Amino acid sequence: DSGVTQTPKHLITATGQRVTLRCSPRSGDLSVYWYQQSLDQGLQFLIQYYNGEERAKGNILERFSAQQFPDLHSELNLSSLELGDSALYFCASSPRDRGAQETQYFGPGTRLLVL
Amino acid sequence: EDQVTQSPEALRLQEGESSSLNCSYTVSGLRGLFWYRQDPGKGPEFLFTLYSAGEEKEKERLKATLTKKESFLHITAPKPEDSATYLCAVLAAGGSYIPTFGRGTSLIVHP
Repeated sequence: DSGVTQTPKHLITATGQRVTLRCSPRSGDLSVYWYQQSLDQGLQFLIQYYNGEERAKGNILERFSAQQFPDLHSELNLSSLELGDSALYFCASSPRDRGAQETQYFGPGTRLLVL
Repeated sequence: EDQVTQSPEALRLQEGESSSLNCSYTVSGLRGLFWYRQDPGKGPEFLFTLYSAGEEKEKERLKATLTKKESFLHITAPKPEDSATYLCAVLAAGGSYIPTFGRGTSLIVHP
């Protein structure tokens, strides 16, 4: 158990809908990262937050957004869903965004299926 | 652009048959290299972080080594429970401090 929690574990929805994925980082970790993993693309970085502020953006679609709240939990919002958005979504956390402790610890993931 | 290439893509071993997985990387400067184990449908599980060439780390049947161009994950006398996908990621010095992940090596150990 990494200490990172994600809810829900599974999500089935229809095209055009909007969903919210939730992540709670390890106790004491200030950075949260979101990744998408599909069979044909591997693990793709989406976005990073550090202590409530956006720090880095990867290949995140405009239909996707995220935020980190004062209690450090994070939410990833996916809207206007398409079939191709079906994937595993992982959250990871690390103590800081820079410095010696950059190792990321991953949550169990949310499996999203768009029908 | 940072690149990480893992080989082989898939590896089948018999129980007890030792082998190595390779992670070759190209970065402007290496800040850290990470190995993860991922079981199907689950999140990557952290194994090791290596920071400088010559460094080695061990955990049970796994040993990770690092050179200036690549890292190896040596699996000694593997057991069926070692079956998983092993991911390598590199963190470059400077920049956004976001690791670049390889596509992984899928390992199956037959009893």
